Amino acid sequence: GESVGLHLPTLSVQEGDNSIINCAYSNSASDYFIWYKQESGKGPQFIIDIRSNMDKRQGQRVTVLLNKTVKHLSLQIAATQPGDSAVYFCAEPYTGRRALTFGSGTRLQVQP
Amino acid sequence: NAGVTQTPKFRVLKTGQSMTLLCAQDMNHEYMYWYRQDPGMGLRLIHYSVGEGTTAKGEVPDGYNVSRLKKQNFLLGLESAAPSQTSVYFCASSYSSGGNTEAFFGQGTRLTVV
Repeated sequence: GESVGLHLPTLSVQEGDNSIINCAYSNSASDYFIWYKQESGKGPQFIIDIRSNMDKRQGQRVTVLLNKTVKHLSLQIAATQPGDSAVYFCAEPYTGRRALTFGSGTRLQVQP
Repeated sequence: NAGVTQTPKFRVLKTGQSMTLLCAQDMNHEYMYWYRQDPGMGLRLIHYSVGEGTTAKGEVPDGYNVSRLKKQNFLLGLESAAPSQTSVYFCASSYSSGGNTEAFFGQGTRLTVV
């Protein structure tokens, strides 16, 4: 079946540096991808999404890149701040279900 | 803005007891979902609903039942709780097809079954 996974379980960066969180997906038919941020004790919060007809999408301090050739998704956070410390999930549609399926997440730790 | 509200926020159950988790959304969303999240893992879909009066099974539906009698509410029931159901439960909703748009999440219910 399809899977959404992440390369690194934990990423530690210095405050002010740029962060890159990666995600691999296996369903080549997926046409929508979304990144969520989850802070400790809270529910996931939407960060940014991208559709398969795009390669790149930018938000405020965040950029998502989609490489359909290698089925890879990345989230770039510019000038990482302590408030960015959280677990980040990528998600894509389930096959056959009108819902999102999530990867296992990457914990981002921002060092002062 | 309330968004998605889950009650209760915490609960401890004994094995074999039953309970109902309530999810309410005030965004007039058609789609609602229940996920569970275990330590170090992503969210797994339990059940979902594409509209009032409808429900469908997700990835891990065994041991759970759901009902969507009103558009704004989605209830998750555990008829006979088991320790394996210890988890954090998240409700979410979306205005359009659940695999094609952002889902809004509640704050979660932390359930411990002893």
